[in-house]
Amino acid sequence: AQTVTQSQPEMSVQEAETVTLSCTYDTSESDYYLFWYKQPPSRQMILVIRQEAYKQQNATENRFSVNFQKAAKSFSLKISDSQLGDAAMYFCAYRSAQTSGSRLTFGEGTQLTVNP
Amino acid sequence: EAGVVQSPRYKIIEKKQPVAFWCNPISGHNTLYWYLQNLGQGPELLIRYENEEAVDDSQLPKDRFSAERLKGVDSTLKIQPAELGDSAVYLCASSQYTNQETQYFGPGTRLLVL
Repeated sequence: AQTVTQSQPEMSVQEAETVTLSCTYDTSESDYYLFWYKQPPSRQMILVIRQEAYKQQNATENRFSVNFQKAAKSFSLKISDSQLGDAAMYFCAYRSAQTSGSRLTFGEGTQLTVNP
Repeated sequence: EAGVVQSPRYKIIEKKQPVAFWCNPISGHNTLYWYLQNLGQGPELLIRYENEEAVDDSQLPKDRFSAERLKGVDSTLKIQPAELGDSAVYLCASSQYTNQETQYFGPGTRLLVL
């Protein structure tokens, strides 16, 4: 079974600074997808960024980028120019590519605080 | 395009009472998921539907939980009877039936069992 681990329960960053959230995972599969979701106090899970394991290039979405290290099974999220609206719980998630529509396996989450 | 819709947003009930949650997925999305999220944890899958068929319900506590997705669109998740430990957020998500699918989540239903 796949597992996802987020070793940082809480992180904080100053507004306009950069912060990196860590995620490691365990799998025996070679083809899969990785995601970062953001969950503000409203509890809505919002997709931040997605990475396909077969792609060597790291995904980027505006101020959000990932450092995907497949051999190390590491998938960190970098938030540049942090904004107050980035404050939320961030979840790393894994999904197998073997079965279409298969379940997401989530980590425990990292609570990000952005200080003005 | 409208997102995943869930209702109610909040529900407070007494233990042993029944409760039902409703989800309307994004139009055109064939796959629908119900996740359970306990406080301070990541969501865990309860059941996955592909059209009308429940294809993964291995984590659904079938003694008290049931779900249906009639006509392959809307879905209802029911708990009967509710227990104190069922207090959590129930999230619905949907995705297109493709190899590039991403799951999009609704706002969730927060259940409190007293």
